[in-house]
Parts: sequence; structure tokens; C-alpha cells
Amino acid sequence: TQLLEQSPQFLSIQEGENLTVYCNSSSVFSSLQWYRQEPGEGPVLLVTVVTGGEVKKLKRLTFQFGDARKDSSLHITAAQPGDTGLYLCAGRVGSDKLIFGTGTRLQVFP
Amino acid sequence: KAGVTQTPRYLIKTRGQQVTLSCSPISGHRSVSWYQQTPGQGLQFLFEYFSETQRNKGNFPGRFSGRQFSNSRSEMNVSTLELGDSALYLCASSLGAMNTEAFFGQGTRLTVV
Repeated sequence: TQLLEQSPQFLSIQEGENLTVYCNSSSVFSSLQWYRQEPGEGPVLLVTVVTGGEVKKLKRLTFQFGDARKDSSLHITAAQPGDTGLYLCAGRVGSDKLIFGTGTRLQVFP
Repeated sequence: KAGVTQTPRYLIKTRGQQVTLSCSPISGHRSVSWYQQTPGQGLQFLFEYFSETQRNKGNFPGRFSGRQFSNSRSEMNVSTLELGDSALYLCASSLGAMNTEAFFGQGTRLTVV
């Protein structure tokens, strides 16, 4: 069974703090994606990382793909209340189904 | 470019009934996947269709079925509804069978009473 484990499961921080969310697996992924989901809505794609060791930046968000393509991290600098939501990593092994991580629920307080 | 459209947004059904949910993918996208999301289980894969053929199937009972039409629109059906089927059902559209980037609709919130 392919599993994508995310940590932490919950994160509650003050505006302006930095945070890192981790996504780990024993499987090798051809690519990995990060999504953010708000209550009652579908997940929204943030980024796709493809190459081992790749780093992508999206404003205050930094995404990194592990060298072995088994893990990824999402770092948010100076978090804002608008960053609140459920963060999901997702990946596909070969032609198999796209699987999602267990999710990290982030709450940023003003 | 229109996004993924799911209908209806909300649905209340009684135990034992059946339900059909609809998904219209992004224009030009030929792959549609369905997921069930519950607070306890997260996002669980139901099935994936590409060019009217089911490519992958998750570990759900046979009460859950789907199909894809020639225009790439997809439907999923759940028969003999159970209370535990209450969930947010999400449809994701991808350009092709091997394309990993998925774009989601807003989902259908199904409540079984």
C-alpha cells in the first residue's frame, strides 16, 4: 500500500511565524504536488515538483522535493491568516492512481 | 477557461436510496478521477476514467460505480446508500492519463440520513 504521511497533522500559529510541513513515503514518485483546501471547497493545486532536489518558490511558500523523490516539504515564511487551510501533498507512482497525503490542517491567528 | 463543474453541490438522501453525481472536466481534459473525503479518512481514491475506460479503481464496495461519456463528462453512482457514505465527493480533471496535475471541482456534499 502506498502511503503518504504528512506531519504535523495540526498546526496552530500566530501571524508572522514560520512553519514547515513534511510529506514522506517509502515509494518513489515521478512527481509530487501540493494542494491547499478550504472548508467546503475542492483542493487547489499550488505547485508540482518533478526533479529530485528541486526547490520551487511561490511568494512566501517554498517547496522542496527530496533527492530520492520519496519526500517533500513545504515551508511558509511569515504566515498570514490567509494561509489557513488544509495542506495536502499528492503523488503518483508510475501510471498508478494519484494518492493524497494524510493532510496538515494549518490555522494562523492574527 | 471554465473549471471543473460538479453538480449538485449539496444532496440529502435517505438510507437505501441511490444517488448519481455529475462532473464536467476542464475543456480538453480527458481524464476524470473521483475521490471521497471524510474527516476521519481524508481523501480516498474511488476510480479514474480516461477516454471512457476505467483505468484505476480504489478499494470501495461495488455499490460505488462510475462511467465516462465520449465528451469526457463523468458520473458516479452510489446504490443502497449507507450513513457512512456521507462525505464530500470530489471530482478531479487531468489533461491525460499520465498527467499528474489534477484540478478539482468544488465537490458534492452528500448527507445520508
